[in-house]
Amino acid sequence: KQEVTQIPAALSVPEGENLVLNCSFTDSAIYNLQWFRQDPGKGLTSLLLIQSSQREQTSGRLNASLDKSSGRSTLYIAASQPGDSATYLCAVVRNAGNMLTFGGGTRLMVKP
Amino acid sequence: EADIYQTPRYLVIGTGKKITLECSQTMGHDKMYWYQQDPGMELHLIHYSYGVNSTEKGDLSSESTVSRIRTEHFPLTLESARPSHTSQYLCASSEGFEGAGTQYFGPGTRLLVL
Repeated sequence: KQEVTQIPAALSVPEGENLVLNCSFTDSAIYNLQWFRQDPGKGLTSLLLIQSSQREQTSGRLNASLDKSSGRSTLYIAASQPGDSATYLCAVVRNAGNMLTFGGGTRLMVKP
Repeated sequence: EADIYQTPRYLVIGTGKKITLECSQTMGHDKMYWYQQDPGMELHLIHYSYGVNSTEKGDLSSESTVSRIRTEHFPLTLESARPSHTSQYLCASSEGFEGAGTQYFGPGTRLLVL
């Protein structure tokens, strides 16, 4: 059974810092990995999708890497801003039906 | 921007009532999903559909049922609500190609059963 773990569970940083969020998964047989952002009381916004054959994806200040063989992914956020404060969720797609298994998330607070 | 809608956004209801949570998407996606998220907890898949007249149960056992009569519509029904059903319910859809599609989420329905 696939299990997804995210560390740290919570993180508080001053504005402007570069930071790294970690995600690990137990079964390397994945189709892809997605990083999402969830704001309080709202749905999920897709940030980045990395196919299993890819090593990384970039979007603006965000960079996600994937090491499938070791079961790890990292989300790098450059020059953090207060607007980045949210919960960041990692999820792996475990079959052709695009079914997701989620980690518990990292709650990020960026202080002005 | 994803065009996936959920109604109601918030619902407070008494025990024993029948409720239907609506989910609609205008992107023509074949695959749709329902996830349940308790406060501060992980999301768990409770139902999914690969197309019209296709529905399956997900990882987390749920007393709810779903239907898929039209591609764009994937409602979830609780025949008799109980306090244990209090949670946030999130609907999602994805593009059809094998294992590669991004999932798009609706804003969620927060359900409180008294």
